[in-house]
This record gives sequence, structure tokens and C-alpha cells, in this order.
Amino acid sequence: DGGITQSPKYLFRKEGQNVTLSCEQNLNHDAMYWYRQDPGQGLRLIYYSQIVNDFQKGDIAEGYSVSREKKESFPLTVTSAQKNPTAFYLCASSIRGRDDNEQFFGPGTRLTVL
Amino acid sequence: GDSVTQMEGPVTLSEEACLTINCTYTATGYPSLFWYVQYPGEGLQLLLKATKADDKGSNKGFEATYRKETTSFHLEKGSVQVSDSAVYFCALSGSGYSTLTFGKGTMLLVSP
Repeated sequence: DGGITQSPKYLFRKEGQNVTLSCEQNLNHDAMYWYRQDPGQGLRLIYYSQIVNDFQKGDIAEGYSVSREKKESFPLTVTSAQKNPTAFYLCASSIRGRDDNEQFFGPGTRLTVL
Repeated sequence: GDSVTQMEGPVTLSEEACLTINCTYTATGYPSLFWYVQYPGEGLQLLLKATKADDKGSNKGFEATYRKETTSFHLEKGSVQVSDSAVYFCALSGSGYSTLTFGKGTMLLVSP
């Protein structure tokens, strides 16, 4: 079955540590996205990538970094510079150039920084 | 810039009641409009979409009509079930844009 996988589902880290969240898709989609979800805030875009080896900052990129070395993978690193990293992180993908930009979402990773 | 405003929740209904969740948007050009649903602890799933004015999206008994004159895309269902309890997000994709703009979400709670 085609889809998006995110691992792990729950992640705990100590304050000051960097942590990398995994996102893999086998939908053959060109574009991938990372969102952060906080209660009552909706979804906020962190980074997105339309093709391999290229990515753009979203609305809240500070304290985060990404790479896009393979079409299938778009890992997100939450660095120690992120002031309040505890949140639910969602990865998504879409077909590049599609007029409606329908996005497909993974199951999410809940990060808790202790 | 683009923005989406949806009614605040939670919306609390009894089973078989009618549902309306309001969504209005601000965007230039001709955006595509979406409703996504999120069940507890899960990612978002596309519920329905509409890509041009007067289009009606429908799925699982839910409907929404793209109203350009009122810049709205209200979600409706005639008879809700307990299993519809979830958070519903309205979103838009602007003309030529590669990203989605989301509303803050509306929680729906349906009791037996």
C-alpha cells in the first residue's frame, strides 16, 4: 500500500538535544512538507521541498532544519535553538504541479522535550 | 496573504443532529478549497475538496459548496454519528501556490 510513514510515533528528548524526525513516502510524490500542530493553533508550515536537493522555509522555520537527498525521504531536525519544541509534527506530500495541491498526510510524531 | 477562518469549537451535538461548520477565506485569484478531518492521535485525511466556484465536494455524507461571492466553504452533514467526532480543518491552496493555508480547526463532539 502506498502512503507516508513517520517514525517514531512518540519521541522524548531532554532539553538542549537535537532530534531528527523521520518521514518516508512511497507515493512517488515530488513535493513534501513538514507542519507543526499545537492545540488551538491549527497547522503551521515549517519547511517544504518541491524537488530533491531543494527546500524552502515555511512560516516557522527558526530552530528547525531539513534535508532532501532522496525523493522518498524528508527528515526534520529539531535543534536546540527551537525555543518550544514540544508539539505534534506532521509530514505531508503532494504531486508537484497539480492545480489543487491536494496533500497526503502521515500519522504524525508527538515530540515531548523534558 | 491568504487566510482561512473557521468557527471555534468545540461543537457539541447529539447523534442524528444536523451539522454546519463555517469556513470563510481570503485569497487572491481562484483558490482550491479543502476540508480535512483528524481523528484523535492521527494525521489528517482529506474529507472533500472543490477546485472552482459553485463546485460541491461530498464524501461520507458531508458536503461543502465553493461560494466565491461570499468567500465561503461551509461543511454540512444532515445526520451526524458518534464516529464523526474529530477535528475538522478547512484549507485553501492559492492559485499557483505550492502550499496549503489551514484554519485553526473545529472540534466536533457527538454524543449518543
